[in-house]
Amino acid sequence: AQSVTQLGSHVSVSEGALVLLRCNYSSSVPPYLFWYVQYPNQGLQLLLKYTSAATLVKGINGFEAEFKKSETSFHLTKPSAHMSDAAEYFCAVSEAGSARQLTFGSGTQLTVLP
Amino acid sequence: DAGVTQSPTHLIKTRGQHVTLRCSPISGHKSVSWYQQVLGQGPQFIFQYYEKEERGRGNFPDRFSARQFPNYSSELNVNALLLGDSALYLCASSLFPDSNYGYTFGSGTRLTVV
Repeated sequence: AQSVTQLGSHVSVSEGALVLLRCNYSSSVPPYLFWYVQYPNQGLQLLLKYTSAATLVKGINGFEAEFKKSETSFHLTKPSAHMSDAAEYFCAVSEAGSARQLTFGSGTQLTVLP
Repeated sequence: DAGVTQSPTHLIKTRGQHVTLRCSPISGHKSVSWYQQVLGQGPQFIFQYYEKEERGRGNFPDRFSARQFPNYSSELNVNALLLGDSALYLCASSLFPDSNYGYTFGSGTRLTVV
C-alpha cells in the first residue's frame, strides 16, 4: 500500500520568495512520484514527475523537486514565487512496475502575497 | 488539439437518483481513468479502463460502474446517489495505462447531490 503526506494544508509566501511545498510518501516498492497543480474550477495539470531516472526533476513554470529515498521525500521548490503560482498543489505516488493508479495527498493551498 | 473533454460541467441530482458522467480522451489516448475529488481533499482513484477493459478499481461501492466505448470515450455511472457522492469527478486520459506515461486530466464534472 502507498500513501502521501503533504505537510501544511496552507502555505503563504511573498512574491519573489522561495516556494517550498513538502511531500513525504510511503511505498512498499519503488515509487513513481508526481506533483500536480490545480487552479480554481479546473482539472489537474502535471508539473513534474519522477520515474527512477535523475533524482532532481525539473518541471514547468520554474518548479523542481528532488527525490530523497533516505528521507522518503519529494519536496517541490521554486526559487522565486510569482502571483500566478497561487493555486492548490497535489503530490501523488504510484507503484513502479504496476503503476495503474495515483494516490494523492490532501493538497497544499499556496497563497502568494504582493 | 482538444484536451480531455468532460460533460456535463455541473450537475445537481436528488438522493436516490442515478447519474451518468461522460469523458472523451485526447485523440490517440486509449486509457481513461476516473477520480473523485471531495471538497478539501485530494482525488481518489475510482476506475481505469484500457482498450475497453477494466484495468483497475479503487475502493468504491458497487453503486459506481464505468465502461469504455470503441472510440475510447468513457462513462461513469453512479446509482442510488448519496449526499456523500457530492464531489468533482475527474477523468484522465493517457496513451497507456501506466502512470509513467503521464495522465492528462479534464476540468471535471461537479456533482451536487441534494
